[in-house]
Amino acid sequence: GENVEQHPSTLSVQEGDSAVIKCTYSDSASNYFPWYKQELGKGPQLIIDIRSNVGEKKDQRIAVTLNKTAKHFSLHITETQPEDSAVYFCAADPDAGNMLTFGGGTRLMVKP
Amino acid sequence: DGGITQSPKYLFRKEGQNVTLSCEQNLNHDAMYWYRQDPGQGLRLIYYSQIVNDFQKGDIAEGYSVSREKKESFPLTVTSAQKNPTAFYLCASTATGFGSNQPQHFGDGTRLSIL
Repeated sequence: GENVEQHPSTLSVQEGDSAVIKCTYSDSASNYFPWYKQELGKGPQLIIDIRSNVGEKKDQRIAVTLNKTAKHFSLHITETQPEDSAVYFCAADPDAGNMLTFGGGTRLMVKP
Repeated sequence: DGGITQSPKYLFRKEGQNVTLSCEQNLNHDAMYWYRQDPGQGLRLIYYSQIVNDFQKGDIAEGYSVSREKKESFPLTVTSAQKNPTAFYLCASTATGFGSNQPQHFGDGTRLSIL
């Protein structure tokens, strides 16, 4: 089955700096990679996703890059703000079966 | 507004008791999922259902049971056989039949604790 590793487990940045979270996956058949943001006491919310036919996708301050050869994908947040503080999860789906395998999560702290 | 509603937000279980967590969605999604989240960890799949009246075990199904009698509803029962039920339980749903992956949408969870 699929295995997703996520690093780092915690990340502390100064407000205005960039943050990068990296994930690797094991199943070369994976073709869908969503990223979720989870605030305390809430469910995860989708913030961006990427499919395997695309190398990069941007949405305002958030971007995701995918390297299929190396089997890793990354989340980039620029100009971080205190409200970006949360736990971020990456996930991978090996086919169109809508079954996600999640990484272990990254706790991002943005210091004002 | 369309979304996923989980209830209750907090739940306490006594020894030997079964408890049921509710999950309702009005997104007209065919597929629904239950995940368990332990502190500082990722999400682990308990059960999933791709269609009404059908469901499959996930990675950690032991001690749990589900039903899918209606498209909108996917209740999870935590049985007394689950010896370590304290966790945050998340329900999700997704659209199917589009020929490509669709994102899963999550409810706001139920926190279950042992009395």
